[in-house]
Amino acid sequence: QQQVKQSPQSLIVQKGGISIINCAYENTAFDYFPWYQQFPGKGPALLIAIRPDVSEKKEGRFTISFNKSAKQFSLHIMDSQPGDSATYFCAAGKAGYQKVTFGIGTKLQVIP
Amino acid sequence: GAGVSQSPSNKVTEKGKDVELRCDPISGHTALYWYRQSLGQGLEFLIYFQGNSAPDKSGLPSDRFSAERTGGSVSTLTIQRTQQEDSAVYLCASSLPGGSSTDTQYFGPGTRLTVL
Repeated sequence: QQQVKQSPQSLIVQKGGISIINCAYENTAFDYFPWYQQFPGKGPALLIAIRPDVSEKKEGRFTISFNKSAKQFSLHIMDSQPGDSATYFCAAGKAGYQKVTFGIGTKLQVIP
Repeated sequence: GAGVSQSPSNKVTEKGKDVELRCDPISGHTALYWYRQSLGQGLEFLIYFQGNSAPDKSGLPSDRFSAERTGGSVSTLTIQRTQQEDSAVYLCASSLPGGSSTDTQYFGPGTRLTVL
């Protein structure tokens, strides 16, 4: 059972454009939603995270939008750059439970 | 400071052989995770260690897979009688003992396993 559904699995965006990756979850007990970024040959690294008490969180060019009623959250990368080309994973976790559940990943390619 | 290290970085083995993959977590991190990353499958949770507690083995795909953590630090993932479908990148992560999902997981670079 895929508890966190992520789409698209691959995405090509022109330099300067907006990259949008969407995730949906089923378990309403989830209360922590991190995004991880993975470059080729490296392990994933935490990029940005959000709790459901806010609808948006922004860090530089990266923004998470959260819709609690729809059980959806998304990552927006503004002014996408070739250096943003990586695989992005959304994830979800719940209070008092250390494990997180990861989405399938989105391979982003930003072309010049 | 040193991050999570894994060895070997690449492992090629023949079907039916046993393999051992090693993970050295960040010093002071008592939580340790193993994941499997396959093409199109994302990050598949395998096993989780937290301090001296019994490990959460709920993600191990078969009894050919096992893991141990000695002295609360180094961990070894063992795959017995490897099959071609075991070919994947095996990732290890560690985190502080906060006991919450908000604890950031720090990943190693992974071991790419190829079973011929």
